[in-house]
Amino acid sequence: GEDVEQSLFLSVREGDSSVINCTYTDSSSTYLYWYKQEPGAGLQLLTYIFSNMDMKQDQRLTVLLNKKDKHLSLRIADTQTGDSAIYFCAESIPDSWGKFQFGAGTQVVVTP
Amino acid sequence: EAGVAQSPRYKIIEKRQSVAFWCNPISGHATLYWYQQILGQGPKLLIQFQNNGVVDDSQLPKDRFSAERLKGVDSTLKIQPAKLEDSAVYLCASSSPGGLAGLGELFFGEGSRLTVL
Repeated sequence: GEDVEQSLFLSVREGDSSVINCTYTDSSSTYLYWYKQEPGAGLQLLTYIFSNMDMKQDQRLTVLLNKKDKHLSLRIADTQTGDSAIYFCAESIPDSWGKFQFGAGTQVVVTP
Repeated sequence: EAGVAQSPRYKIIEKRQSVAFWCNPISGHATLYWYQQILGQGPKLLIQFQNNGVVDDSQLPKDRFSAERLKGVDSTLKIQPAKLEDSAVYLCASSSPGGLAGLGELFFGEGSRLTVL
């Protein structure tokens, strides 16, 4: 099974906030990431957070990290139809370089 | 800047047949990855190259899967013979040493979707 767990589906109305949650297992992970995958496209890095931070904000995106509970969340403010996609949480694999463990992805559907 | 190119985008084969996927990474990217993404799951690393050398192929089913990157640029991933459970999207990604690779800056191609009947 996946070491990184996410809920599979989220439906949100346009203009509302979306919150996508993720739990990971490796407490020694240095970085945690959110990737976005639009239909028929590859994954694109959306944002990341260092493990020594608890929050990072980037325009409409807010990443919260609770290292004690190994919980990561992504909040998208003022969700737009263009935000409809699959969002993957990922953690870096310790003692490696460029290796990541991905969650199964959360499909976000934005309705008008 | 051109992105990671992959072909074919779609392939349908019968079990026990063979298939090959091609990837051209972003120019100058030394590290190349092949990931397998089964429907409803996250990408799983199959193999990682640094230039033309293999860094990690621990999750590559070597009895049927092979990959090469002979000149340190393009790469091919081959499956022979294919099984039903190989149906997946095969994603190629590349990254640049000294860039943000350690922070997650993988650049992915659009993927090659394989259906094995």
